[in-house]
Amino acid sequence: EPEVTQTPSHQVTQMGQEVILRCVPISNHLYFYWYRQILGQKVEFLVSFYNNEISEKSEIFDDQFSVERPDGSNFTLKIRSTKLEDSAMYFCASGGDRDQPQHFGDGTRLSIL
Amino acid sequence: GIQVEQSPPDLILQEGANSTLRCNFSDSVNNLQWFHQNPWGQLINLFYIPSGTKQNGRLSATTVATERYSLLYISSSQTTDSGVYFCAVEGTFNTDKLIFGTGTRLQVFP
Repeated sequence: EPEVTQTPSHQVTQMGQEVILRCVPISNHLYFYWYRQILGQKVEFLVSFYNNEISEKSEIFDDQFSVERPDGSNFTLKIRSTKLEDSAMYFCASGGDRDQPQHFGDGTRLSIL
Repeated sequence: GIQVEQSPPDLILQEGANSTLRCNFSDSVNNLQWFHQNPWGQLINLFYIPSGTKQNGRLSATTVATERYSLLYISSSQTTDSGVYFCAVEGTFNTDKLIFGTGTRLQVFP
C-alpha cells in the first residue's frame, strides 16, 4: 500500500536555527497537509496546500513557517528561527480528494535545544 | 469551529476485554477518521467513516452523523492495542483540515 514518507525521523536543532522537514506524499494525491503534536497533547492542523498554493492555514502558521512543493514529489515545511516551543512531532499528510481520507506519515520529531 | 470531544480520556483493560470509545462532534462533518497512535508516535489510520458502520478484524466503528457522534469498538483486546485513539473530523464549510479530539489513552494489561 502506498505510504507517505517523512525525513528525518528525528531532528535536533539549536534555538534560532532554520529547519526543513521533508515529506513525500502518495504519488497521485493532490492535497497536502502539515500537522503538529506537542508532547502529550492532541494533533493540531498547521496548513493545507493544493494546486501549488496554501488553501488554509491555522493561527499557529505564522511568518516563521513556510511550505513548498519544490518538485513533483516532495512537500517541505520550513521553520525559520526556531524557538523552544516549536519542539513537537510534525506530521505530513496527503489526500486524493477532499472527500477521501487523509493518509499520515510517521512524523518527524523536532527537538529544539 | 467544530469541537471534538472523546470519552473516556483513559481506559485500562485486561487482555480479552471489550471496549467502546466515543467521539462527539458539535457540527456537521464531511469526513471522520479514527486513528491509533502507537507508543512510537505513529498515527495509524483505522477507519474513514463519515457515516455508517465498518469492521476490520477485531475493530469496528459506527458513525451516526445526524446525532453527531461516532463509536469505536475494540473486541478481545490485546496488549498491542495499547496507545492513544484519536477521532478527527473535517467540517463541511470550505475546509478540509482535520480537527482532532483529545484522544482516549488505552492501556491493555496481560
